[in-house]
Amino acid sequence: DTEVTQTPKHLVMGMTNKKSLKCEQHMGHRAMYWYKQKAKKPPELMFVYSYEKLSINESVPSRFSPECPNSSLLNLHLHALQPEDSALYLCASSQEASWVTGNTIYFGEGSWLTVV
Amino acid sequence: DAKTTQPPSMDCAEGRAANLPCNHSTISGNEYVYWYRQIHSQGPQYIIHGLKNNETNEMASLIITEDRKSSTLILPHATLRDTAVYYCIVRVATDKLIFGTGTRLQVFP
Repeated sequence: DTEVTQTPKHLVMGMTNKKSLKCEQHMGHRAMYWYKQKAKKPPELMFVYSYEKLSINESVPSRFSPECPNSSLLNLHLHALQPEDSALYLCASSQEASWVTGNTIYFGEGSWLTVV
Repeated sequence: DAKTTQPPSMDCAEGRAANLPCNHSTISGNEYVYWYRQIHSQGPQYIIHGLKNNETNEMASLIITEDRKSSTLILPHATLRDTAVYYCIVRVATDKLIFGTGTRLQVFP
């Protein structure tokens, strides 16, 4: 089973709302990722968690707040977003964050976020 | 960081082999080449990866040149469902998988 599950699939939120995106995997992976993808653009890395600790933050604005409650779950808390934050948010996981052994990263189907 | 260069778009007739090239002339000796594809509105799907040797799985074959400066992804018998954006990615030294702009493959009947 190589499944990464993301909820919700679609989310519409106002600029003053607080919402969260959720991601779950049961493959025993110890690295989890958030990517953001705008229309007709490639995915852009936002955050990397390794062993439940934040290891990479790609200078993401603080209105995006990641959280890794345990090794199977990854959340992205959203607050005071702007319309330009509307995008597809992708969660991914891999056995390890290190790429020395060439491990594979698996993606979920994404959460479509619209900020109004 | 190693970068990749891919043609922006390619066409392929259904049933024929699709050969997608990728240039990664600045690749380091221990960096893997990964291929993913993304069908419209879906998450990226892993296809294959390799370091030095050619690789084959149930989806595709990966041919890496001896100097490792370029590679080719081969879909042996393309179907309409293979229409997607194909990303060639070289892992950077830190724990990142950075996507380039990819090749939009259109398979036609």
